[in-house]
Amino acid sequence: AQSVAQPEDQVNVAEGNPLTVKCTYSVSGNPYLFWYVQYPNRGLQFLLKYITGDNLVKGSYGFEAEFNKSQTSFHLKKPSALVSDSALYFCAVRDMQRGNKLVFGAGTILRVKS
Amino acid sequence: EPEVTQTPSHQVTQMGQEVILRCVPISNHLYFYWYRQILGQKVEFLVSFYNNEISEKSEIFDDQFSVERPDGSNFTLKIRSTKLEDSAMYFCASSEAQLEAFFGQGTRLTVV
Repeated sequence: AQSVAQPEDQVNVAEGNPLTVKCTYSVSGNPYLFWYVQYPNRGLQFLLKYITGDNLVKGSYGFEAEFNKSQTSFHLKKPSALVSDSALYFCAVRDMQRGNKLVFGAGTILRVKS
Repeated sequence: EPEVTQTPSHQVTQMGQEVILRCVPISNHLYFYWYRQILGQKVEFLVSFYNNEISEKSEIFDDQFSVERPDGSNFTLKIRSTKLEDSAMYFCASSEAQLEAFFGQGTRLTVV
């Protein structure tokens, strides 16, 4: 079965510093990987995806993610964190064999301090 | 920009009552989903729907739950005989095949 793991419950970073939110995946076949962000009492907002092509994908709000096949990772990154980036971040993989559903990781809380 | 809309935003119901959560997916999307999230924790898959039938459902999605696409635009989740543990945020989503899914703002269901 497809799965993703987010090993950190919380990531703390100072404003202006680079941030990384980690994600590893386990899939059979080609991975379709996604990052979503959730602000308090809101829905999930799509940030970026990897389907094929360049290993570095760019998304909304200055976020990017690096796909690494050998390490089965898809870490979310941003060169300079903003306080407004503080939110809950979810990594997800699409299960093409089972209803095309997204399978989510447990989520990582990002706190950016000024 | 097209978006997924969900109604109501908040539903309070008595235990044992039936509730219907409504969603209008993005119009050209073919895949529809319901997820739930308890207290801001993990996002749990409930069911996926394609070509007017359920394509996958989780263990959570038992006989208490059902989905319908009654009129080609709405996509509903019905929960019969609600239980306290059904209290959660319920999210509807839609997508085109393997592309990203777009989520609604959710319905907060509170069972009392």
